[in-house]
Amino acid sequence: DQQVKQNSPSLSVQEGRISILNCDYTNSMFDYFLWYKKYPAEGPTFLISISSIKDKNEDGRFTVFLNKSAKHLSLHIVPSQPGDSAVYFCAASGRNSGGSNYKLTFGKGTLLTVNP
Amino acid sequence: NAGVTQTPKFRILKIGQSMTLQCTQDMNHNYMYWYRQDPGMGLKLIYYSVGAGITDKGEVPNGYNVSRSTTEDFPLRLELAAPSQTSVYFCASSPPVGQGDGYTFGSGTRLTVV
Repeated sequence: DQQVKQNSPSLSVQEGRISILNCDYTNSMFDYFLWYKKYPAEGPTFLISISSIKDKNEDGRFTVFLNKSAKHLSLHIVPSQPGDSAVYFCAASGRNSGGSNYKLTFGKGTLLTVNP
Repeated sequence: NAGVTQTPKFRILKIGQSMTLQCTQDMNHNYMYWYRQDPGMGLKLIYYSVGAGITDKGEVPNGYNVSRSTTEDFPLRLELAAPSQTSVYFCASSPPVGQGDGYTFGSGTRLTVV
């Protein structure tokens, strides 16, 4: 039973355009959501997070949107750059986690390719 | 500041052999985790620890053991290696609640069991 779902295994966009990566979750106990970026042969690195009390969080070119009623979140990258090409993992943690990243549940990841 | 260090980076084991994957962090993080990533799959939690002397099972603990004798170290032990344990293993750490955001991951150990 997959509690965090990333239904698109891959996404290809042109440099300068917007990249939108999607994530759905089924567990209503999740209240904190994070995105991680992973290059080949490296560990994932933290990118951006959002608490369930918010519906948007922005950090430079990266914005995460949360739709709690639909149990859906998305990561927007604007403008996309070739260096953004990586696997992006969506992750979630449970209620009463205090906004922490304790015991994260990860999706399968989406491979983003940004073409020059 | 090294962050999270995992050794070895690669290893080939024969069925039935045992080994220990090492993980050390120098950030004084309370929480440490072991995840495995199979091809095309997300990261699945094997074991985690909330502090020295305290460990607990994650989603896929069978075939593994851990210990946490110090804040810095969180080794993962495979006793009788099986082909199903072929995977990439990631160790991670995180600070206590309210003191930071996101895990810090090691660079991974790629294990093949033949």
